[in-house]
Amino acid sequence: EPEVTQTPSHQVTQMGQEVILRCVPISNHLYFYWYRQILGQKVEFLVSFYNNEISEKSEIFDDQFSVERPDGSNFTLKIRSTKLEDSAMYFCASTDRFEQYFGPGTRLTVT
Amino acid sequence: GESVGLHLPTLSVQEGDNSIINCAYSNSASDYFIWYKQESGKGPQFIIDIRSNMDKRQGQRVTVLLNKTVKHLSLQIAATQPGDSAVYFCAENTGGATNKLIFGTGTLLAVQP
Repeated sequence: EPEVTQTPSHQVTQMGQEVILRCVPISNHLYFYWYRQILGQKVEFLVSFYNNEISEKSEIFDDQFSVERPDGSNFTLKIRSTKLEDSAMYFCASTDRFEQYFGPGTRLTVT
Repeated sequence: GESVGLHLPTLSVQEGDNSIINCAYSNSASDYFIWYKQESGKGPQFIIDIRSNMDKRQGQRVTVLLNKTVKHLSLQIAATQPGDSAVYFCAENTGGATNKLIFGTGTLLAVQP
């Protein structure tokens, strides 16, 4: 069964550093998403991506965040200058229409 | 603002019993609802969905009920098993171009053997 994969599973970084979280969506899907989940809280929408551009972003997705689909398979989330409050699980999701399939997540720890 | 919330943060049931997890949503424009299961250290896993033109949908051991009058969603799990222990989230999709999901706060289901 096809699945969304994410790397790394855990990323530790120092405040102010740049991080790139990587995702490989399901191959025939056209819509891609990033969500985050702060420990013990609900999953929050960050950004959606379709046809090689951002289609919607939340208030959380400020100028420090960017997304890219550098090739036909990868979908990345970059945080330019990490803050302590960026520590969370980051989930990638993809869909061909409605049902979104989630990856296992990357745990980002900012120290 | 829009929000989706859950009534009970923790639900403890005996193995074999039926479980009911509830969710309230506030956006009357939402037309698609999904229940996700999240096990520790994993991403949300799709369980079942329902569109706003339905009030009930059944899957294998799971049933979702939608009451649009009171903006309420529930997930029923029949014959709950230890493997059902997880956090359950409801999510709403308000449609539009992006189909983003708005998640509720989650209910921890603990199945006692």
